[in-house]
Amino acid sequence: GENVEQHPSTLSVQEGDSAVIKCTYSDSASNYFPWYKQELGKRPQLIIDIRSNVGEKKDQRIAVTLNKTAKHFSLHITETQPEDSAVYFCAASSGNNDMRFGAGTRLTVKP
Amino acid sequence: EAQVTQNPRYLITVTGKKLTVTCSQNMNHEYMSWYRQDPGLGLRQIYYSMNVEVTDKGDVPEGYKVSRKEKRNFPLILESPSPNQTSLYFCASSLWVGNQPQHFGDGTRLSIL
Repeated sequence: GENVEQHPSTLSVQEGDSAVIKCTYSDSASNYFPWYKQELGKRPQLIIDIRSNVGEKKDQRIAVTLNKTAKHFSLHITETQPEDSAVYFCAASSGNNDMRFGAGTRLTVKP
Repeated sequence: EAQVTQNPRYLITVTGKKLTVTCSQNMNHEYMSWYRQDPGLGLRQIYYSMNVEVTDKGDVPEGYKVSRKEKRNFPLILESPSPNQTSLYFCASSLWVGNQPQHFGDGTRLSIL
């Protein structure tokens, strides 16, 4: 089955700097890669997703890149702000009704 | 408002006392799923359902049961809870199969003593 690994587990950056979180997956059939943000005590919420027919997707300060050959995808947050502080989860799905999540990255943005 | 509603939000109970966590969505979604969240382990899928009367095991189904008698409801049943089921549980739904954006409920924190 699919296995998703996420790094780093914790990340601390200064406000205004960029943050990058990386994930690798094992199942070459995976074709959907969402990223979720979970603030303390809240539910995970989708922030961006990408499908395997696209190499990069941007939404304002957030971007996701996908390398299908290497089986890894990354979340990039530019000009970080304190409100970006949260736990971020990557996930991968092959469409076989499964969704595997990474273990999460706790991002702290210091003012 | 489109939402996934879980109840209860918090529950402290004792080993062996059957409990049910309800989940309801108002978006007419076909796909529903239950996850448990534990520190350092991320979200692990317990069970999922593609449609009414269709359920399947996820990665960690032991000790849990589910049912899908109606499209909007997907309850999680712990017949004989044990302390290792102490966790934060999330219900989620998506329009159809799993490779779609999932909408999560607010979570249920279960403590089994």
